[in-house]
Amino acid sequence: EKVMTQSPASLSVSPGERVTLSCRASQSVASNLAWYQQKPGQAPRLLIYDASTRATGVPPRFSGIGSGTEFTLTISSLQSEDFAVYYCQHYNYWPYTFGQGTRLEIK
Amino acid sequence: QVQLVVSGGGLVKPGGSLRLSCAASGFTFIDYYMSWIRQTPGKGLEWVSYISNTGITINYADSVKGRFTISRDNAKNSLFLQMNSLRAGDTAIYYCARVGSAYSVDFWGQGTLVTVSS
Repeated sequence: EKVMTQSPASLSVSPGERVTLSCRASQSVASNLAWYQQKPGQAPRLLIYDASTRATGVPPRFSGIGSGTEFTLTISSLQSEDFAVYYCQHYNYWPYTFGQGTRLEIK
Repeated sequence: QVQLVVSGGGLVKPGGSLRLSCAASGFTFIDYYMSWIRQTPGKGLEWVSYISNTGITINYADSVKGRFTISRDNAKNSLFLQMNSLRAGDTAIYYCARVGSAYSVDFWGQGTLVTVSS
């Protein structure tokens, strides 16, 4: 099983700031990686798949990059609605696993 | 619009059984793989199982293999999860989810809470 490790676990940032979240895989997952956003009381929402492709309706301030074992999600200018928990997930051979999440909090 | 409406959660005793159902609408159900994913505060998100659009290909997490059975009824646009021999560790919010073209989950239904406790 491939283990996904996200860092940091939490981050306090101010609206308008640029933020970069990291996700590391224990073995290569090629570009088979997705990012999700989850707000309290809601189901997760797909943001990025194939490491860098934005899902339908996702604003361009969200971008993803990486391949192999190192991936990043960047939010170029944080909006109030972006404060949430972010998860990465690989789909490079079953079982598909998720990271433990990074919580973005308002500073 | 895409909707995935889950029913069947609740409180069950250890060793008991529960069947979750997911009614899909707003898209061509037979075109999509479907999945069940669960979430707990302690263990986070776990992809429990998925089933191909025809039902031929199925996979389970090791933690539920032999106890849970995923199935679908394409005529009724429905997905199911039969959960047997339930344990305390199966306590979680269970999400019905649509698998997109890249094996990411492109749409999540609302979750249903399953609590396994005596």
